[in-house]
Order: sequence, then structure tokens, then C-alpha cells
Amino acid sequence: GNSVTQMEGPVTLSEEAFLTINCTYTATGYPSLFWYVQYPGEGLQLLLKATKADDKGSNKGFEATYRKETTSFHLEKGSVQVSDSAVYFCALSDKDSSYKLIFGSGTRLLVRP
Amino acid sequence: GAVVSQHPSRVICKSGTSVKIECRSLDFQATTMFWYRQFPKQSLMLMATSNEGSKATYEQGVEKDKFLINHASLTLSTLTVTSAHPEDSSFYICSAQGLAGEEFFGPGTRLTVL
Repeated sequence: GNSVTQMEGPVTLSEEAFLTINCTYTATGYPSLFWYVQYPGEGLQLLLKATKADDKGSNKGFEATYRKETTSFHLEKGSVQVSDSAVYFCALSDKDSSYKLIFGSGTRLLVRP
Repeated sequence: GAVVSQHPSRVICKSGTSVKIECRSLDFQATTMFWYRQFPKQSLMLMATSNEGSKATYEQGVEKDKFLINHASLTLSTLTVTSAHPEDSSFYICSAQGLAGEEFFGPGTRLTVL
């Protein structure tokens, strides 16, 4: 069945450091891919998405490219801020899962001043 | 943006009692809401899809008689954990589906069963 694997956290970085959070997926079809962010005490928010191979999703300085050949959707940001501290979830949906979201386990990011 | 609230944010109860969790879409109407469960350091697992005015659709392995879902209005869905036991302790998250199909998530409810 479909699944999402993302790197375990926590990831601890200094402010202005480069961020990569790895995400790989398994899917029988052609899924849409998502990154959600959960700030402390809040609900998950859609950060960015990509719906087909080679698409790049971007938002708030974060980027992720849909790589079909490596079944990956790694999240990157060139210079993180303290306010980026949160839990990040990679997810997919496709026809085979009735378009329901399938989530990775989440990666906690802690950015120190 | 669309806001979804959950109440309570935390609840502690004794084994054998029932607990009700509310999920509200504050500034939009949602014919479909979803209930998820999250164990520590694990993924969000979809438990059920709640449709306004009809019975909920449960995922495989989720006991419908234990996790009662009611979606009586376009802005409110409730999840009742009946006869709760310590193994039901978890983080429960709801989401509401907007007109364009996007899900908007609530902040979650942490249930602890003693």
C-alpha cells in the first residue's frame, strides 16, 4: 500500500542554517505530495504541494521538488529562522487511497538563535 | 484563512468513562470532516470520515461502536470515545474539508485515560 517515510527528528539548527528534511514515498499510482507544518498549539497547515513529477512547490522560503525517479519530496530552506521551529509532516494522496491523506511520522525542527 | 477548533485541548478521564471531543469549522461550512489519531512519534492515522447528515465511514480496524461520530451540522462534528481504556490514550486530530477539497486541521485533543 501507499506510505510515506520521513527522517526522524528532532532536527536542531542554528538560525540562518540550511535545512533539508528528507521524505520518500511508496505509491502504486501518481500521487500528489504535500508538506504540512504544525506550530506549537496549532493545527496542521498546508505549507506547499506538488501534483506531478518535476513540479516544485514553494512557500515562505521553503521548497520541495517532486522527484518521481527517486520517489522523493525533500523539504528545503536556505536560511531558517527561529519562527520556523515546528513539526513538519510529509503526506501524499492519490486515487488508490481514495484521495485520503497518508502522512509521514513528522519531523520536529528546532531553530536556535 | 479557514479555522478549525477542537474542544477540549486536553482531557484526562478514568477508565470506563466516555469522552466527547468537538470539532468546529469556525468560518466556513464543511460537509465532510475527518478524524485522525496520532501515537507518539508516529503518523496521523485516519480513523473515519464524517459526513454531515449521514453515517460516518470508518477505516479498517477502527471500532465504530467505540468511536462514535456525529456530524449533526455543517460546522460541528463530535467524536465520542466510549468506555475508554488506557490504550485509547492518544492525540486526536480533526480536519474539515473546504469547498476546494483542501483539509483544514484542528489543533488536536490529547486524551489520557487513567
